[in-house]
Amino acid sequence: DARVTQTPRHKVTEMGQEVTMRCQPILGHNTVFWYRQTMMQGLELLAYFRNRAPLDDSGMPKDRFSAEMPDATLATLKIQPSEPRDSAVYFCASGLGDLRDQPQHFGDGTRLSIL
Amino acid sequence: AQSVTQLDSQVPVFEEAPVELRCNYSSSVSVYLFWYVQYPNQGLQLLLKYLSGSTLVESINGFEAEFNKSQTSFHLRKPSVHISDTAEYFCAVSTTISGGYNKLIFGAGTRLAVHP
Repeated sequence: DARVTQTPRHKVTEMGQEVTMRCQPILGHNTVFWYRQTMMQGLELLAYFRNRAPLDDSGMPKDRFSAEMPDATLATLKIQPSEPRDSAVYFCASGLGDLRDQPQHFGDGTRLSIL
Repeated sequence: AQSVTQLDSQVPVFEEAPVELRCNYSSSVSVYLFWYVQYPNQGLQLLLKYLSGSTLVESINGFEAEFNKSQTSFHLRKPSVHISDTAEYFCAVSTTISGGYNKLIFGAGTRLAVHP
């Protein structure tokens, strides 16, 4: 059964450090999403890629966050420098075609703790 | 802007009892509606969706949701819940962004706790 793979599953680091989260979308999927989940804000869309091009990153803090897709099999989300308020679970999801017809498939998330 | 309101943050229920998780959306145009489920320490999984046609949609594990345009609601129901249904449930609506593509707007989630 094809799955979205996220690494690492857990990350604990000190504030000020760079954090890189990786996502391997399902082979053949052409849309990739990054979400952040917190108790206070719920599920927020950070970035949306289609065919490796960014379509919407309006939800992402531009000063410290960056998202890229170096190739079709890898998406990255970086935080530099990290802050305690970045502590959350970060999910990657991938899909094929239009979201109305094809569901998003989520990875199991990266649980990030910034001390 | 489209939005989704899930009226209950937590719903406790006993096993084999019926349950309804409420969802209201705001939109002035045609909508596509979804319910996703999140089990502990996992990502979200699609439970069911409404795109068009019959207003009652069903999932493979006994959940159903009814699209009600006049009340702008898409409530999720199950006539008899199991312990294994304990999870967080998210209602979502699709919205169109630049270029004609769609993205999902999620509600805050409802935590369903099924007790023996």
